[in-house]
Amino acid sequence: AQSVTQLGSHVSVSEGALVLLRCNYSSSVPPYLFWYVQYPNQGLQLLLKYTSAATLVKGINGFEAEFKKSETSFHLTKPSAHMSDAAEYFCAVSDPGGSEKLVFGKGTKLTVNP
Amino acid sequence: GAVVSQHPSRVICKSGTSVKIECRSLDFQATTMFWYRQFPKQSLMLMATSNEGSKATYEQGVEKDKFLINHASLTLSTLTVTSAHPEDSSFYICSATYRRRGSYEQYFGPGTRLTVT
Repeated sequence: AQSVTQLGSHVSVSEGALVLLRCNYSSSVPPYLFWYVQYPNQGLQLLLKYTSAATLVKGINGFEAEFKKSETSFHLTKPSAHMSDAAEYFCAVSDPGGSEKLVFGKGTKLTVNP
Repeated sequence: GAVVSQHPSRVICKSGTSVKIECRSLDFQATTMFWYRQFPKQSLMLMATSNEGSKATYEQGVEKDKFLINHASLTLSTLTVTSAHPEDSSFYICSATYRRRGSYEQYFGPGTRLTVT
């Protein structure tokens, strides 16, 4: 069974500082991996995805993530945080050959301090 | 492109009544849609997979007779909460699978806040 672990339910950074949100996965097959962002009372917006192509994936709003098979990780980074980045971030995994169901991590709330 | 809408965005209903929530893929066809439930400050819990032209597949522990799902067309899935009770109050989110170039992504609707009084 697939699973996702997001280390740190809350992360707080200063505006302009590096953002690092951690995600580790467990999967018996090479997975697809996704990062989504959720603003209060809204649905989820796809930031980026890994689907077995380049291991360094660039997404929207300056975010990127690197797939590291040896570490079973897919951490999300952004060089310089903006106030508008404050939101809930979810990492998710799916089985490419399966039912397309996403298994979500518990989420990480990012706070950006001025 | 790849926009998913939900209607209504908010609904308040009385205990014992039924509520229907619509999920539409606006600019693509989706043979598969998913319904999630999200409790405050928690992650998304998959309720069911909605397949166009066939019965929905429910996750373990989800009452199929309470949460009726109908995938009427390639752009519309509906979730009906029957005989709603206060414990059904939650944020319900749908998603639709968009396939392209050998891979796929799920695009999410904006969610529906259900409050049962």
